[in-house]
Amino acid sequence: DGGITQSPKYLFRKEGQNVTLSCEQNLNHDAMYWYRQDPGQGLRLIYYSQIVNDFQKGDIAEGYSVSREKKESFPLTVTSAQKNPTAFYLCASGGGGRETQYFGPGTRLLVL
Amino acid sequence: DQQVKQNSPSLSVQEGRISILNCDYTNSMFDYFLWYKKYPAEGPTFLISISSIKDKNEDGRFTVFLNKSAKHLSLHIVPSQPGDSAVYFCAASAVGTYKYIFGTGTRLKVLA
Repeated sequence: DGGITQSPKYLFRKEGQNVTLSCEQNLNHDAMYWYRQDPGQGLRLIYYSQIVNDFQKGDIAEGYSVSREKKESFPLTVTSAQKNPTAFYLCASGGGGRETQYFGPGTRLLVL
Repeated sequence: DQQVKQNSPSLSVQEGRISILNCDYTNSMFDYFLWYKKYPAEGPTFLISISSIKDKNEDGRFTVFLNKSAKHLSLHIVPSQPGDSAVYFCAASAVGTYKYIFGTGTRLKVLA
């Protein structure tokens, strides 16, 4: 089955800890994206990558880091510098440019 | 500054009737728009798109209308079904960018 997988579904972070959220796609999409959703708010773009080994900051990149070593994978690290990490994190992929983006099931991050 | 606004946080409609979800935008450079449907704790699912060269796009029960002069688009669902109950997001993209700006969403409840 083609699709986007995110793991884990739930993730707990302790103070001062870095955590990494996984995103994998087998849709052969060039572009991948990370969004954050907070209650009552829309999706806000954290980072995006149009091609392997290249990525750009979105609107709220502070406290996050990414890598794009493989076309299929775009992991997001929430660093200790992100002071308000509790949110629902969504990964998406698309054909690049302004092609439609397709979303994974999301990871909910909670702070202990 | 919210460039994409969905001013109705929620909407209730009787089964079989029409649901109309609205979206307003402020950036005149936006020229491509998407609608997504999202169930709780899941990723958004793409519904329908529209380019600024058109004023209407239809796909089954879903029709999106675009009024460029008013910077307004709407999603019509006819007939509404209980399974349509979800949060609906509109998203807009500007010429020359790879980013989508999402609205805050409208929660639709279709009553049986």
